[in-house]
Amino acid sequence: GESVGLHLPTLSVQEGDNSIINCAYSNSASDYFIWYKQESGKGPQFIIDIRSNMDKRQGQRVTVLLNKTVKHLSLQIAATQPGDSAVYFCAERSQGAGGTSYGKLTFGQGTILTVHP
Amino acid sequence: DTGVSQDPRHKITKRGQNVTFRCDPISEHNRLYWYRQTLGQGPEFLTYFQNEAQLEKSRLLSDRFSAERPKGSFSTLEIQRTEQGDSAMYLCASSFDTVLGGGYTFGSGTRLTVV
Repeated sequence: GESVGLHLPTLSVQEGDNSIINCAYSNSASDYFIWYKQESGKGPQFIIDIRSNMDKRQGQRVTVLLNKTVKHLSLQIAATQPGDSAVYFCAERSQGAGGTSYGKLTFGQGTILTVHP
Repeated sequence: DTGVSQDPRHKITKRGQNVTFRCDPISEHNRLYWYRQTLGQGPEFLTYFQNEAQLEKSRLLSDRFSAERPKGSFSTLEIQRTEQGDSAMYLCASSFDTVLGGGYTFGSGTRLTVV
């Protein structure tokens, strides 16, 4: 069945360090992946996405890497700041039959990132 | 456009009562999704609409739950005869219906507490 999981439930880093958050997925039919940041009491906030025909995508201070061979996704945050402290989720979308999207995202449990000043 | 709006932000209800939540998506988005999130977990898919058509419902969506999107714009999620296990954050998201992706924008959620 479909599932998305995270290797590390918590991650503590010092301000200025680089952070890496990992995610494993099991559905080889997944065609699209998103990383979300969620702060307490708020909805998930889009960070960066990547399609399955790519293996790397960069944004501002963030990079997502996709390894389809081992079904692994990672989020790298450069020069982590206290404002980056939050729960981070990866989510996958599986391609439907005939090239149509299922529509829904499947989320993992999340990693709590704590950045110490 | 101010993004996805959800109302109310918080709802406390007694067990057995009915509750209704509203979601206003980003106006250009034709897809609208409902998710449920409990503490320490990722959001779980409940249902989604493309325009006014409800295209998929999760097994999590029991007969007590019903969602509508009558004019293809805002949506409502109703829970009848609430149970303590319904206590959770109910999240709404919207997106375009493109296989290219493009992100799903979430609202801030409605936190339901059933006492």
